[in-house]
Amino acid sequence: QKEVEQDPGPLSVPEGAIVSLNCTYSNSAFQYFMWYRQYSRKGPELLMYTYSSGNKEDGRFTAQVDKSSKYISLFIRDSQPSDSATYLCAMTPGGSEKLVFGKGTKLTVNP
Amino acid sequence: NAGVTQTPKFRILKIGQSMTLQCTQDMNHNYMYWYRQDPGMGLKLIYYSVGAGITDKGEVPNGYNVSRSTTEDFPLRLELAAPSQTSVYFCASRPLAGTGEQYFGPGTRLTVT
Repeated sequence: QKEVEQDPGPLSVPEGAIVSLNCTYSNSAFQYFMWYRQYSRKGPELLMYTYSSGNKEDGRFTAQVDKSSKYISLFIRDSQPSDSATYLCAMTPGGSEKLVFGKGTKLTVNP
Repeated sequence: NAGVTQTPKFRILKIGQSMTLQCTQDMNHNYMYWYRQDPGMGLKLIYYSVGAGITDKGEVPNGYNVSRSTTEDFPLRLELAAPSQTSVYFCASRPLAGTGEQYFGPGTRLTVT
């Protein structure tokens, strides 16, 4: 079983839709969870991070962590064409030098 | 702050040639990383450094070398380039404290033919 699994998509939605992006993981030591957004031909940029379980909201984006299910989600409300990108989840136990990344989900929001 | 900068943006190499990919960060971060990203394969860690003079191998180090003589710079050296090294290379950095989030450069797109 891979340490982090992420559905690669591609995912195509109409403008204004609610988008749900997900990752599952196997290492129960993970405590810090991040979402990166990567536009085509650009470097990944940090979108959100959360610590342990719970929700975190930032504008149209909500990150959710369920440690009991080893499942994290990123919700995008009122999706816009500018949200079209690849979204990568990443996580770490904390105290580790390394992040473990999912392979990314490619999202297209159609006007 | 410029953040993490990488040069060159693009490069085409012939098989057997060598080159150095440059990475500089101006955030005084202790940790620096080199990744490669192939289509559909996610980010794979090549080498990383926890501070000047200290480097360690990641998941895919073969065919690459690194050095870290200053806090700011972390060059990646390719010796005897091979077609399998065609990829997009990203440098990243993170501070000593914090929650582990890394900050990425814009990438170098390398083709070996």
